[in-house]
Amino acid sequence: GAGVSQSPSNKVTEKGKDVELRCDPISGHTALYWYRQRLGQGLEFLIYFQGNSAPDKSGLPSDRFSAERTGESVSTLTIQRTQQEDSAVYLCASSFGQQETQYFGPGTRLLVL
Amino acid sequence: AQSVTQLDSHVSVSEGTPVLLRCNYSSSYSPSLFWYVQHPNKGLQLLLKYTSAATLVKGINGFEAEFKKSETSFHLTKPSAHMSDAAEYFCVVSGSGYNKLIFGAGTRLAVHP
Repeated sequence: GAGVSQSPSNKVTEKGKDVELRCDPISGHTALYWYRQRLGQGLEFLIYFQGNSAPDKSGLPSDRFSAERTGESVSTLTIQRTQQEDSAVYLCASSFGQQETQYFGPGTRLLVL
Repeated sequence: AQSVTQLDSHVSVSEGTPVLLRCNYSSSYSPSLFWYVQHPNKGLQLLLKYTSAATLVKGINGFEAEFKKSETSFHLTKPSAHMSDAAEYFCVVSGSGYNKLIFGAGTRLAVHP
């Protein structure tokens, strides 16, 4: 079946601009996660959605970062006033539930000039 | 708090020889542990996971890992490397509440003919 999809696959933006990244989870998966992977590093947890519960935002690095999810479907990660240090690959994952295996999308490669 | 340390940033082996990728973890409770693989320009793929059942876990593509609580280790092994195994490997521990994955910095595996 279809996996996790993300768009765009690549995004180049100028410092100070806002960007919006999209994630389509696997159908039926109630949990959705956003991670960031800086060049040559492992993934950093950003935010977690589980059903209609309040999201766990503990990994968001600053108030310029926000994310939304409508029900158990699409999620968008928004970065306002982008900075060069925001350049990274942003990965989305979904799972059937909180303790289930996470399946990752291909990521969005963001470059802030 | 949970953390993961991958002891080697790069490992190089010849095709047909054994592979050993080392990982140590720290966790305040019984952890779930994972190995993920990331091929160039591809998404993260789950190789195997440990969730307090058998301590020797078999994964895809001939990989396996052994959970050793006394050594707080979860090393990844394969008896015979194949050229297609060249990739970045991440050791991962589940975070608090099992909803965050905490990634190691990664080990880049090179396989030479």
